[in-house]
Amino acid sequence: AQSVAQPEDQVNVAEGNPLTVKCTYSVSGNPYLFWYVQYPNRGLQFLLKYITGDNLVKGSYGFEAEFNKSQTSFHLKKPSALVSDSALYFCAVRPPGGSASKIIFGSGTRLSIRP
Amino acid sequence: GAGVSQTPSNKVTEKGKYVELRCDPISGHTALYWYRQSLGQGPEFLIYFQGTGAADDSGLPNDRFFAVRPEGSVSTLKIQRTERGDSAVYLCASSPHGETQYFGPGTRLLVL
Repeated sequence: AQSVAQPEDQVNVAEGNPLTVKCTYSVSGNPYLFWYVQYPNRGLQFLLKYITGDNLVKGSYGFEAEFNKSQTSFHLKKPSALVSDSALYFCAVRPPGGSASKIIFGSGTRLSIRP
Repeated sequence: GAGVSQTPSNKVTEKGKYVELRCDPISGHTALYWYRQSLGQGPEFLIYFQGTGAADDSGLPNDRFFAVRPEGSVSTLKIQRTERGDSAVYLCASSPHGETQYFGPGTRLLVL
């Protein structure tokens, strides 16, 4: 079955430190991979995506993610965390094949940045 | 530019009632999606439209759920005979090419 796993329910980081939010996927073929962020009482906001090409993709607010095909991972990273980065982060995958198809989301990781 | 909008933002109804949730996609986006997000979980796919037709409705949980997009723009998600288990945030997204999906703020549905 196609799935996305975010093994950490919560990640706590001190402001100014690097952060990593983990994501692994189980999808055959070459999927599209996404990260979204959700702030309280707001909808999902697109951060970045991997379609093809360079394994390191850069997105909004200084976030980046590294695609690792052998480990089927797509971890979200930021070199220096800000308190304002505190939010709920979702990894998602669009299985290959077809067009405009659905996205499968992970269960989310709550990122908490302490001052 | 204007993003995806959803109305109402909150809906409280009684068990057994009928509800309609509306989504206005970003202008020009041909693909439209509905997801449901329960507390503490990631969004779960319900249905997606390409133009006016439902291209994939495999996520609709049962025949109480139905969605339309008659003119290829605005979409309405309809839930008949609501149950307490239908309580969730219903998210709509649209996409120009089927890659990145842009989400609206959601409708929070509470069935009492």
